[in-house]
Amino acid sequence: SAVISQKPSRDICQRGTSLTIQCQVDSQVTMMFWYRQQPGQSLTLIATANQGSEATYESGFVIDKFPISRPNLTFSTLTVSNMSPEDSSIYLCSVALLAGGPAYEQYFGPGTRLTVT
Amino acid sequence: QKEVEQNSGPLSVPEGAIASLNCTYSDRGSQSFFWYRQYSGKSPELIMFIYSNGDKEDGRFTAQLNKASQYVSLLIRDSQPSDSATYLCAVGGYQKVTFGTGTKLQVIP
Repeated sequence: SAVISQKPSRDICQRGTSLTIQCQVDSQVTMMFWYRQQPGQSLTLIATANQGSEATYESGFVIDKFPISRPNLTFSTLTVSNMSPEDSSIYLCSVALLAGGPAYEQYFGPGTRLTVT
Repeated sequence: QKEVEQNSGPLSVPEGAIASLNCTYSDRGSQSFFWYRQYSGKSPELIMFIYSNGDKEDGRFTAQLNKASQYVSLLIRDSQPSDSATYLCAVGGYQKVTFGTGTKLQVIP
């Protein structure tokens, strides 16, 4: 597995502002993802953070709203832009590792709990 | 149609019993199957993965996969109150996975 940290762990923000969430991994990983988990819901993939190129966004998520940076193989940021109360959620960074099986296994950071007022 | 379906629960079992958690999926091409445990207020933790039909055991946990029926399950033997959590099934291909909505398990002392 990998040790993943996120900052901040939680924040309360006013609508219309932006928040940047940082994700740091203790080893180089090719694949990093950003998820959102709304209260009482499961995880929804926002995008795949690609090192050295633009992130790949899932349906319903756009770069203008959720810009992502991936400057190297251990770090990524997700910005939640022009926030509204509907963006209140837990944002999770994950990494995918090959650990002996035929497919990648995902491990998650501790999450960032965002409340928009 | 949801891609990965789980009963939301709660599933209540007495301490020491076997808890059985079930998951069905729609994509027949799925190659990888995972079970995550998520305690309230925490991030998901990978507890089991299975790739081939049949059973896979790891301590008190057994994952079962039936690709023909598009069904994957998790058995927890000798359930403990500390097993009380939401269990997420995740199904995917080589790299990305899709998560179910999770089953909340309550182990009653």
